[in-house]
Amino acid sequence: NAGVTQTPKFQVLKTGQSMTLQCAQDMNHNSMYWYRQDPGMGLRLIYYSASEGTTDKGEVPNGYNVSRLNKREFSLRLESAAPSQTSVYFCASRDSINSPLHFGNGTRLTVT
Amino acid sequence: AQSVTQLDSQVPVFEEAPVELRCNYSSSVSVYLFWYVQYPNQGLQLLLKYLSGSTLVKGINGFEAEFNKSQTSFHLRKPSVHISDTAEYFCAVSGPLRGYQKVTFGTGTKLQVIP
Repeated sequence: NAGVTQTPKFQVLKTGQSMTLQCAQDMNHNSMYWYRQDPGMGLRLIYYSASEGTTDKGEVPNGYNVSRLNKREFSLRLESAAPSQTSVYFCASRDSINSPLHFGNGTRLTVT
Repeated sequence: AQSVTQLDSQVPVFEEAPVELRCNYSSSVSVYLFWYVQYPNQGLQLLLKYLSGSTLVKGINGFEAEFNKSQTSFHLRKPSVHISDTAEYFCAVSGPLRGYQKVTFGTGTKLQVIP
């Protein structure tokens, strides 16, 4: 089973460029999440989708947009990348509110 | 709103010694609690979870945690650590009610097992 698949694994952008991080899960989970991980700050929630057709802001949504394309896919878009968005991005999914999260392997993004 | 505090950013411990990683949470409603482990350059994996019932929860790799509602704590313990336990550990909280479906993480504790 693939679980949660994130693409790309690595990306380098120049300030002002845009890009979309892709996430897909094959576990038929209802909820999907995007986090960023920075040293000493743990995982901070950017956006989440509790169910297909809904999205909500997390702790740090500024500079990002999301699309829940269908039940499987949840993409994260940076419209105009900034150095402060250099981070490791994780996508996760879960079946229900008392289920644990299943994580992808992350995307390491550097903005110069 | 809910939050998680992991006061210890790093915990060094000798191999075969016991360890406790501390986690305190804040929430105005009942909670679900989780511990995850992250090995270098990997995503997070579930160690254990507390949903309800017995306050002592056992997880994988010999870890266990105790839910203490009065102290709003969910500390992680292992009686004897191995080198392979060297990793970063995250405590997380979510809730059963609508509007509490976010999963909030602590800042993590790096466990360094010394040979």
